[in-house]
Amino acid sequence: AQSVTQLGSHVSVSEGALVLLRCNYSSSVPPYLFWYVQYPNQGLQLLLKYTTGATLVKGINGFEAEFKKSETSFHLTKPSAHMSDAAEYFCAANTGFQKLVFGTGTRLLVSP
Amino acid sequence: NAGVTQTPKFQVLKTGQSMTLQCAQDMNHEYMSWYRQDPGMGLRLIHYSVGAGITDQGEVPNGYNVSRSTTEDFPLRLLSAAPSQTSVYFCASSYSWSTRGTDTQYFGPGTRLTVL
Repeated sequence: AQSVTQLGSHVSVSEGALVLLRCNYSSSVPPYLFWYVQYPNQGLQLLLKYTTGATLVKGINGFEAEFKKSETSFHLTKPSAHMSDAAEYFCAANTGFQKLVFGTGTRLLVSP
Repeated sequence: NAGVTQTPKFQVLKTGQSMTLQCAQDMNHEYMSWYRQDPGMGLRLIHYSVGAGITDQGEVPNGYNVSRSTTEDFPLRLLSAAPSQTSVYFCASSYSWSTRGTDTQYFGPGTRLTVL
């Protein structure tokens, strides 16, 4: 069965520093991969997704992620953190027909 | 478009009570689903629907019922609430179920449920 692992339940960075949130999936068949963001007391919002084609995917708010089949990874990065990036981030995989499997989430803390 | 709406935002139940969580979307989306979010566990799929009249179970369906009589609405019913059902519930929708999983799912704002 497909599973998604997010390393680190909490990640702390300073404003202006690089953001790196890790996501690995388990599957012999590369799934479709998503990153969602959840701000406090809100629903989930899509940041970016990988389906086919270019392995470097750019999303909203300056985030991007790279699909690496050899490492079964889909890590999320942003060159320079902003205070408004503080939120919880979820990686998810979909092996077909819209059924998403989520990771356990990573809470990003940004300090001034 | 209002997108995906959920009511109520908050609810407190006593063990054994029943209730229905409402979910509606105005985007003419074919696929709708319910997830529950628990600390340290991410989101888990409860039930989903690929169109009016068609529903199926997800990962954690026990204790929940669904039906879909219209494209717009997908209510989630708790027949006899238990403390283990204390959670935040999210409804989501996407345009089509048949595009092999590439469609973006749009999430509602959630319902925070406490069962005492």
